[in-house]
Amino acid sequence: ETGVTQTPRHLVMGMTNKKSLKCEQHLGHNAMYWYKQSAKKPLELMFVYSLEERVENNSVPSRFSPECPNSSHLFLHLHTLQPEDSALYLCASSLTSGGGSQYFGPGTRLLVL
Amino acid sequence: AQKVTQAQTEISVVEKEDVTLDCVYETRDTTYYLFWYKQPPSGELVFLIRRNSFDEQNEISGRYSWNFQKSTSSFNFTITASQVVDSAVYFCALSEATQGGSEKLVFGKGMKLTVNP
Repeated sequence: ETGVTQTPRHLVMGMTNKKSLKCEQHLGHNAMYWYKQSAKKPLELMFVYSLEERVENNSVPSRFSPECPNSSHLFLHLHTLQPEDSALYLCASSLTSGGGSQYFGPGTRLLVL
Repeated sequence: AQKVTQAQTEISVVEKEDVTLDCVYETRDTTYYLFWYKQPPSGELVFLIRRNSFDEQNEISGRYSWNFQKSTSSFNFTITASQVVDSAVYFCALSEATQGGSEKLVFGKGMKLTVNP
């Protein structure tokens, strides 16, 4: 596989469920990002990992928990979500040096019932 | 605070028309990067261009061209001879450096372009 992949592509969960979103990059990058895209809202940065260390947490509720076990993989663990958390969750990766451009995965479309 | 404004929310054109997507940004940084991304209905954000704040040369790539003007804080994107496949939401973004060398992108709200046959 090439580029940035995300699984699952679609997810429906209840408010009491626990699920995880997975992102994998095959570009040799060393920074990874989670973004949230809701209807009628700009893309919002949630988390940034650089060299597997979390460097940015954009006031995201604790019901979202990221994990970056290595530079190629990024997870977003979800628990006790709210219906307003329904959105498209996009993962991206980049190189940390020289202002590397971010390349995005196809996203996971999440619906919380 | 950094901000990106895409004043147009939706544009509809007929195939072969030229269309310009506007982007105005605000930043206090002297070094920054500007980006354009395309989001087709499939949802994936496709990288189109990255421009360094010190490079004001216009750029052309096939039917796409970009006009960067620091004096007006604008980074406009023109599609020449539009095609139906150009239909998508287009986002302008501005980078902000974070700890560790990674970058935080601040996005505009996006502009939905519909190209009709």
